[in-house]
Amino acid sequence: EAGVTQSPRYAVLQEGQAVSFWCDPISGHDTLYWYQQPRDQGPQLLVYFRDEAVIDNSQLPSDRFSAVRPKGTNSTLKIQSAKQGDTATYLCASRTGSERLFFGHGTKLSVL
Amino acid sequence: QQKVQQSPESLSVPEGGMASLNCTSSDRNFQYFWWYRQHSGEGPKALMSIFSDGDKKEGRFTAHLNKASLHVSLHIRDSQPSDSALYFCAASGPTEGADRLTFGKGTQLIIQP
Repeated sequence: EAGVTQSPRYAVLQEGQAVSFWCDPISGHDTLYWYQQPRDQGPQLLVYFRDEAVIDNSQLPSDRFSAVRPKGTNSTLKIQSAKQGDTATYLCASRTGSERLFFGHGTKLSVL
Repeated sequence: QQKVQQSPESLSVPEGGMASLNCTSSDRNFQYFWWYRQHSGEGPKALMSIFSDGDKKEGRFTAHLNKASLHVSLHIRDSQPSDSALYFCAASGPTEGADRLTFGKGTQLIIQP
């Protein structure tokens, strides 16, 4: 069974630049999550979808962050005008029903 | 305040020994608990869930839940070097929806060969 695929694996930006992260969940998983994991901390929920609908985006840090899942499959998380405080690993996860979350490898973002 | 608190932050155990990790929730709404493990450079992977009071055993891993005290623990017997990883406790509850998992900061487990 294919896992959750994320790209890119790494991103290095200057402050003020934009970046997009892409996620392909496990086929058939209706719920997709984006988490932010700062260094030496646990994953912190940013947003999650069921099919194409946003269920909860209340934890997206600000207007600089946006996420879409237009066809209820792949998803994109975008940061406009990145700040040093955005430095973290961005994890995508998917699940169906109340089963366990399956995580991708993550995208490690460094903002200089 | 962190809703899911884990202890210790770091734990070193000799190979073949028993590792015990702890997790306490400050939110009485949390009723469903998971343990996840993350090796360096990878995403977290689910180890096991526990939703009822008592013990749940899966191979070398045993989870224990006490809902009255909102305490859950994970015990790893016969620890192997491959068990060296960051371990997270995660919780969810009806008011936030079983969909939404809140993670602790993690316990770094080191197995000494």
